[in-house]
Amino acid sequence: KNQVEQSPQSLIILEGKNCTLQCNYTVSPFSNLRWYKQDTGRGPVSLTIMTFSENTKSNGRYTATLDADTKQSSLHITASQLSDSASYICVVSESVYSSASKIIFGSGTRLSIRP
Amino acid sequence: EAQVTQNPRYLITVTGKKLTVTCSQNMNHEYMSWYRQDPGLGLRQIYYSMNVEVTDKGDVPEGYKVSRKEKRNFPLILESPSPNQTSLYFCASSSTGASGTNPYGYTFGSGTRLTVV
Repeated sequence: KNQVEQSPQSLIILEGKNCTLQCNYTVSPFSNLRWYKQDTGRGPVSLTIMTFSENTKSNGRYTATLDADTKQSSLHITASQLSDSASYICVVSESVYSSASKIIFGSGTRLSIRP
Repeated sequence: EAQVTQNPRYLITVTGKKLTVTCSQNMNHEYMSWYRQDPGLGLRQIYYSMNVEVTDKGDVPEGYKVSRKEKRNFPLILESPSPNQTSLYFCASSSTGASGTNPYGYTFGSGTRLTVV
């Protein structure tokens, strides 16, 4: 069964510190992996998208990595800010050529930044 | 501004009273989808649409209906809402890749918090 698992479920760090969120998936065949940021009560917003051939993608202080061999991805946040407090969702798309690709969401990591 | 607009943002209703949550996008996206989000379960797909008049079930379609008569609109219909449909609902849209099948980079609406009593 295709799954996307994220860890940790929740994380609290001090403002200014770095952190890394993990995403492991079993989706096959793989098409792409995206990281989204979701503020409480708001819709998710895309941070990065990576295809099979890409192993790193940056968006400001956010850097995502992808290891397609081990089926792992990470999202690294540098010099965290209070506004980084949110849920971070890993989303993996299955490649299906004759119909809409299956999209599997992880349950998210809840990140809290403390001053 | 490119966006996905859902209405209403908040809705409290009673069991069995039909309701519709509207979703509209202004990006000419082919692909649209509805999700529900419940604590500890993440986002689960209800229905999706590859294009006008093309819809298909997601992972949790029971109790829901959709229609795609126009490219920009994708309403979610609850014919007879029940308390287990109390949830946060998101509409999302995306363009499709060169193959026409693979959605890229969802744009999500702001969400509709539905309570069924």
